Amino acid sequence: EAGVAQSPRYKIIEKRQSVAFWCNPISGHATLYWYQQILGQGPKLLIQFQNNGVVDDSQLPKDRFSAERLKGVDSTLKIQPAKLEDSAVYLCASSLIGGEEKLFFGSGTQLSVL
Amino acid sequence: DQQVKQNSPSLSVQEGRISILNCDYTNSMFDYFLWYKKYPAEGPTFLISISSIKDKNEDGRFTVFLNKSAKHLSLHIVPSQPGDSAVYFCAAITPEIIFGKGTRLHILP
Repeated sequence: EAGVAQSPRYKIIEKRQSVAFWCNPISGHATLYWYQQILGQGPKLLIQFQNNGVVDDSQLPKDRFSAERLKGVDSTLKIQPAKLEDSAVYLCASSLIGGEEKLFFGSGTQLSVL
Repeated sequence: DQQVKQNSPSLSVQEGRISILNCDYTNSMFDYFLWYKKYPAEGPTFLISISSIKDKNEDGRFTVFLNKSAKHLSLHIVPSQPGDSAVYFCAAITPEIIFGKGTRLHILP
């Protein structure tokens, strides 16, 4: 069974530039999450989708971050414009509905904002 | 303010001995807890969970203990193996999953 796919693995940009991350969840997983993990911290939820609807985006900085999951499968997270404090690993995870305690994570995208 | 706290950033344990990783939480309404394990350059992987109706859950070498009155849980790994060297995250389902900062476990040969 293929795992959660994310790309790119690494991205280096300058502040005020824009960046996008892509995620393809495990087939059949209706719930998709984007987490931000800053160095030395635990993952923090940014947004949760169920199919193509948003379940929770309360911690998403909506002035600069956006995410979509148009067809209920893969998803894109965008930052525009990026700030220095956005440097982090962006993790995508998926789960079955009702299986939210067992998230399957991708390897993440490491973003460095200079 | 951290709702799930892992106060030990790192822990070193001799191979074959017991590893004990600790976690505290602040909200007595939390009723489901998880442990995730993370290797470098990989995403976290689910390890074990416990519901507040239990005080212990065991899966092979891994056992999680929950002390509701102390708002404390711990993960025991017995015996510790080299492949257990990783970062361990404690988490609570609130219903959102809130993770602690993690504890880096080093298993020494």
